[in-house]
Amino acid sequence: GNSVTQMEGPVTLSEEAFLTINCTYTATGYPSLFWYVQYPGEGLQLLLKATKADDKGSNKGFEATYRKETTSFHLEKGSVQVSDSAVYFCALSVENTGFQKLVFGTGTRLLVSP
Amino acid sequence: DAGVTQSPTHLIKTRGQQVTLRCSPKSGHDTVSWYQQALGQGPQFIFQYYEEEERQRGNFPDRFSGHQFPNYSSELNVNALLLGDSALYLCASSLGDRKNTIYFGEGSWLTVV
Repeated sequence: GNSVTQMEGPVTLSEEAFLTINCTYTATGYPSLFWYVQYPGEGLQLLLKATKADDKGSNKGFEATYRKETTSFHLEKGSVQVSDSAVYFCALSVENTGFQKLVFGTGTRLLVSP
Repeated sequence: DAGVTQSPTHLIKTRGQQVTLRCSPKSGHDTVSWYQQALGQGPQFIFQYYEEEERQRGNFPDRFSGHQFPNYSSELNVNALLLGDSALYLCASSLGDRKNTIYFGEGSWLTVV
């Protein structure tokens, strides 16, 4: 089946530290990969995406590269800010009869202290 | 440009009751999906609507049903509520078929007591 595994949190960092959140996936076919972010009390916001192998998605200083050989899509940021504190979800999209549905990991909470 | 809007934001229901949640997709989008997010978990796909028909369904019982209207808005109905139905219900919209970005609303928090 299709599934996403994320590192468990919380991840606690000081401001300006380097961030890595690991994500690996299992999928049939060739999925697209996503990172979504959820701030406290809010819905999901798309952070970045990659639709094929070796693509790099990037946004707001965050990056992730679609690695087919290791079935991974790790999220990185060179210098985190307090405002980055949120829950981060890795997801893949599975196409069925031409329509996408998202399969999510369980989320990783990031806490950044000043 | 309005994003995905959902209502109500919060609601409390009693076991056995029925609930209806509403969603208006992002302007220009014609496909609506619903997800359930239990506390501390990732969202789980419930079902998806396109052209007023259910196109895909996740592993949810028949107590969960939906509808899409000609203006692409959608409703999620849950009958015979259980305590375990307490969750954040997220509506997502996209344009048509594969590879297009999926946008989420802020969700409806349902508490069943």
